[in-house]
Amino acid sequence: NAGVTQTPKFQVLKTGQSMTLQCAQDMNHEYMSWYRQDPGMGLRLIHYSVGAGITDQGEVPNGYNVSRSTTEDFPLRLLSAAPSQTSVYFCASSYFEGPLHFGNGTRLTVT
Amino acid sequence: QKEVEQDPGPLSVPEGAIVSLNCTYSNSAFQYFMWYRQYSRKGPELLMYTYSSGNKEDGRFTAQVDKSSKYISLFIRDSQPSDSATYLCAMRIDYGGATNKLIFGTGTLLAVQP
Repeated sequence: NAGVTQTPKFQVLKTGQSMTLQCAQDMNHEYMSWYRQDPGMGLRLIHYSVGAGITDQGEVPNGYNVSRSTTEDFPLRLLSAAPSQTSVYFCASSYFEGPLHFGNGTRLTVT
Repeated sequence: QKEVEQDPGPLSVPEGAIVSLNCTYSNSAFQYFMWYRQYSRKGPELLMYTYSSGNKEDGRFTAQVDKSSKYISLFIRDSQPSDSATYLCAMRIDYGGATNKLIFGTGTLLAVQP
């Protein structure tokens, strides 16, 4: 049972480049979400999804896009990376009434 | 003011000590309270999950919720070096099954010295 799988583990981008962070879960969870973790700021919600085809914005959505075509996958897209997006990104999933299960994160540096 | 406040530490204790970790919050609508443990370069993992007020015990870990004071605590008995990690509190309102948005504290870094 893999749980929540995030790829890549590390990434370095130049300002203006685009990339997609991948997230997949094998627990048939309806709810999926993306957080970023920065020193002193804790985990902040970027976007979330309550099911295939349904997404919504969290606390810090600017600069990020998401889509959810299947229950299992919830990719996060950076269209034009900025140094302020240097962070650790976590994907998490759950049943609606249950606790969140996290992946091990993607460490992104934008130069 | 943040919705959830947590002392970042670091907190350093000797092996075998009782550790007390705390969070305060401002939203009286929070009903579900969680504690996560995060080892360096790993994702948060769930330790305790409680609903409303009261205590919950699981092995060496005890979670307490005092909704009247808007205060939650995690106690670790007989602390071990393997408990060294960042501890995150998290909470949410009752969305009635519509979503599962959590609000996190900033985390407390704990070091248990052998």
